Amino acid sequence: GIQVEQSPPDLILQEGANSTLRCNFSDSVNNLQWFHQNPWGQLINLFYIPSGTKQNGRLSATTVATERYSLLYISSSQTTDSGVYFCAGNTGTASKLTFGTGTRLQVTL
Amino acid sequence: EADIYQTPRYLVIGTGKKITLECSQTMGHDKMYWYQQDPGMELHLIHYSYGVNSTEKGDLSSESTVSRIRTEHFPLTLESARPSHTSQYLCASSEDRFFSYEQYFGPGTRLTVT
Repeated sequence: GIQVEQSPPDLILQEGANSTLRCNFSDSVNNLQWFHQNPWGQLINLFYIPSGTKQNGRLSATTVATERYSLLYISSSQTTDSGVYFCAGNTGTASKLTFGTGTRLQVTL
Repeated sequence: EADIYQTPRYLVIGTGKKITLECSQTMGHDKMYWYQQDPGMELHLIHYSYGVNSTEKGDLSSESTVSRIRTEHFPLTLESARPSHTSQYLCASSEDRFFSYEQYFGPGTRLTVT
């Protein structure tokens, strides 16, 4: 199966700061998703982005499929952005997602 | 957005008990999945189903079993719970579109076996 690496593993930001989270894949993926896991354990869908760029409010994501990586941008961070951010992908016709180990984000006042 | 539900949300149970974790979705998705997640760690696929009467084991070996008798329902059963089963269990579903499998997750069940 594919390997998914996320960086950085941990990130502490002051409120209002911007950040970039990265996800690298060992193989080409045809399904790539970004999730935010809140303190209660729920996974929230952020982006479904196998290629290209998308924006949703203060969040945006870019996937460069040919270079096997994706970036998640958080601008003007807020304390509610705290939690763990996961990327996940699959290859070929398999729909099973392989998850990265996550980036743990803490936004402080 | 898919509506996907899991019950119970939290469960504390003694060793040796049989438990069933419920998962249901109202979007008519053919594909459903169970993931296991230890605190602060990545998710691992333990079971999946591509439709009624279809079940497969995932990448992480699990002592649990699943069934898919109805499209909307995908329960997970542990015949004899052990402390090593303590974890969070997340259910997901996705549409059956060729090369497009965006997954949506339920709120999860936190299981503690004492």
